[in-house]
Amino acid sequence: DGGITQSPKYLFRKEGQNVTLSCEQNLNHDAMYWYRQDPGQGLRLIYYSQIVNDFQKGDIAEGYSVSREKKESFPLTVTSAQKNPTAFYLCASRETGDSYNEQFFGPGTRLTVL
Amino acid sequence: AQSVTQPDIHITVSEGASLELRCNYSYGATPYLFWYVQSPGQGLQLLLKYFSGDTLVQGIKGFEAEFKRSQSSFNLRKPSVHWSDAAEYFCAVHYYGQNFVFGPGTRLSVLP
Repeated sequence: DGGITQSPKYLFRKEGQNVTLSCEQNLNHDAMYWYRQDPGQGLRLIYYSQIVNDFQKGDIAEGYSVSREKKESFPLTVTSAQKNPTAFYLCASRETGDSYNEQFFGPGTRLTVL
Repeated sequence: AQSVTQPDIHITVSEGASLELRCNYSYGATPYLFWYVQSPGQGLQLLLKYFSGDTLVQGIKGFEAEFKRSQSSFNLRKPSVHWSDAAEYFCAVHYYGQNFVFGPGTRLSVLP
């Protein structure tokens, strides 16, 4: 089955630590996205990538970093510079050929800072 | 800048009642419009989308949405709600060459 996987489902981090969230897709989509979700705030875009080896900052990139070395993978690192990282993180992908193509979402990773 | 509003933060309906969730977007041109549903602790699932043609679109799980250009709205409807419809619903807009913009979401509770 084609889809997007995110791991781990739950992640706990001590203050001052960097952590990396995994996102893998087998949909052969060019574009991938990372969103942060907080209660009552909808989805906020952290980073996105339209093609391998290229990515752009979204609306709230500070304290985060990404890489896109393979088409199917788009890991997100939450660094110690992110002041309030506790949130639900969603990865998405999209076929960029047509503007009406939707984004497909993974199941999410819940990050908690202890 | 684009924005999407969902005026209702939380709606409660009885099972079997009809449902309408509101979505309005700013910006002049007609965007591509999407409705997603999210169960607690899960990712988002596409319910339906609109990009041209008939302004009433049908989606999965018995949902439909109507695009009204004059009101910049794309409201989601369901004639008879089931308990399993309890979830959070997000409206999203997309313009060519730009990123998706999601609304803040509407949480739906269903009374037995």
